[in-house]
Amino acid sequence: NAGVTQTPKFQVLKTGQSMTLQCAQDMNHNSMYWYRQDPGMGLRLIYYSASEGTTDKGEVPNGYNVSRLNKREFSLRLESAAPSQTSVYFCASRDRGRGKTQYFGPGTRLLVL
Amino acid sequence: GQQLNQSPQSMFIQEGEDVSMNCTSSSIFNTWLWYKQDPGEGPVLLIALYKAGELTSNGRLTAQFGITRKDSFLNISASIPSDVGIYFCAGQLGSGGGADGLTFGKGTHLIIQP
Repeated sequence: NAGVTQTPKFQVLKTGQSMTLQCAQDMNHNSMYWYRQDPGMGLRLIYYSASEGTTDKGEVPNGYNVSRLNKREFSLRLESAAPSQTSVYFCASRDRGRGKTQYFGPGTRLLVL
Repeated sequence: GQQLNQSPQSMFIQEGEDVSMNCTSSSIFNTWLWYKQDPGEGPVLLIALYKAGELTSNGRLTAQFGITRKDSFLNISASIPSDVGIYFCAGQLGSGGGADGLTFGKGTHLIIQP
């Protein structure tokens, strides 16, 4: 049981390049989330998907797009990367219902030059 | 948006000491969570609190959900070396049934000197 997996683990981009961060969960969870973490900061929500087929903006959505491909997978796309998007990106998933908590992946470290 | 003020930012303590950290918010949250993050890893849930006034323990960890629903604290008793890491509080507006994301504090960096 892998839980939440993210690929790639590390990535270096040049300004203006595009890339997609992949996330998959094998816990049959309904909701999935993308956060970013910057030095000295807590995690900030970029986008989330309450269920398959729906996506909503979080606190810092500008410069990102997401796709909930199916119940298992939730991808984050940077169309034109900027140095300000250098960060560690975490995906999380959660089952529906009270008492259900978010489980986090190991993160993707992105450097934009 | 909502903000969580977490303190202290860092703590340098001796092994065996007790630790206390807290979070306050200008907004009401219906769920408070405490996570620990080790270097190179994602956050791992320690304790979840769902009711104002609730006091919950998990081994040497104890957390409380403030009566006003705007604060929470985490205590660690008799610290050990593996307690080293960054501790985050997080609030959720929903009561637990919803899918809304979490608002995180900036973290408390715990360093333990043997």
